[in-house]
Amino acid sequence: ETGVTQTPRHLVMGMTNKKSLKCEQHLGHNAMYWYKQSAKKPLELMFVYNFKEQTENNSVPSRFSPECPNSSHLFLHLHTLQPEDSALYLCASSQGASDLYEQYFGPGTRLTVT
Amino acid sequence: DQQVKQNSPSLSVQEGRISILNCDYTNSMFDYFLWYKKYPAEGPTFLISISSIKDKNEDGRFTVFLNKSAKHLSLHIVPSQPGDSAVYFCAARSTGGGADGLTFGKGTHLIIQP
Repeated sequence: ETGVTQTPRHLVMGMTNKKSLKCEQHLGHNAMYWYKQSAKKPLELMFVYNFKEQTENNSVPSRFSPECPNSSHLFLHLHTLQPEDSALYLCASSQGASDLYEQYFGPGTRLTVT
Repeated sequence: DQQVKQNSPSLSVQEGRISILNCDYTNSMFDYFLWYKKYPAEGPTFLISISSIKDKNEDGRFTVFLNKSAKHLSLHIVPSQPGDSAVYFCAARSTGGGADGLTFGKGTHLIIQP
């Protein structure tokens, strides 16, 4: 498999549930990102990991918890979410740090919080 | 406050004509700009980029123009083809060091009419 994959593609969860989103990149990149796209809003950066270290947390509530066990995998752990957290969550990766290369995006996970 | 603005939510262009998508930014620290294209149910894919040291970058049918003094960039597609119908996102970053996320606009839905 090539590129950036995300699972699941669709997720419906209640506000008391705990779930995790998974992202895997097969590109040999060292940086990985989580973005959120809400309806009628731009893609918003949530977290950045560079060589497995978190380098940016864009004021994201603690009910979102990222994990990067290695450069190829990135998780987003979700707990006690709110309905307004319903959105498309996109993972991306890029080659190296401080680079000018483009980011490669996965297909996204469509999350609905009920 | 949106730092990257795409003021046209949609644009309809006849096949074979030129499509011009516009993007404005407010953050003077941005020095690298990218255009992404997104089809439904897929993640954004990189299209073309430009560094702030240039004012034009061309790749086949796609040309990006940058006017730094006006903090404006545009994407020209010529000739437009039916497969170009998609949502186009303008994105920007400041390359101050580290792996930085991108700041996106809301996107412009380009519709190519046969």
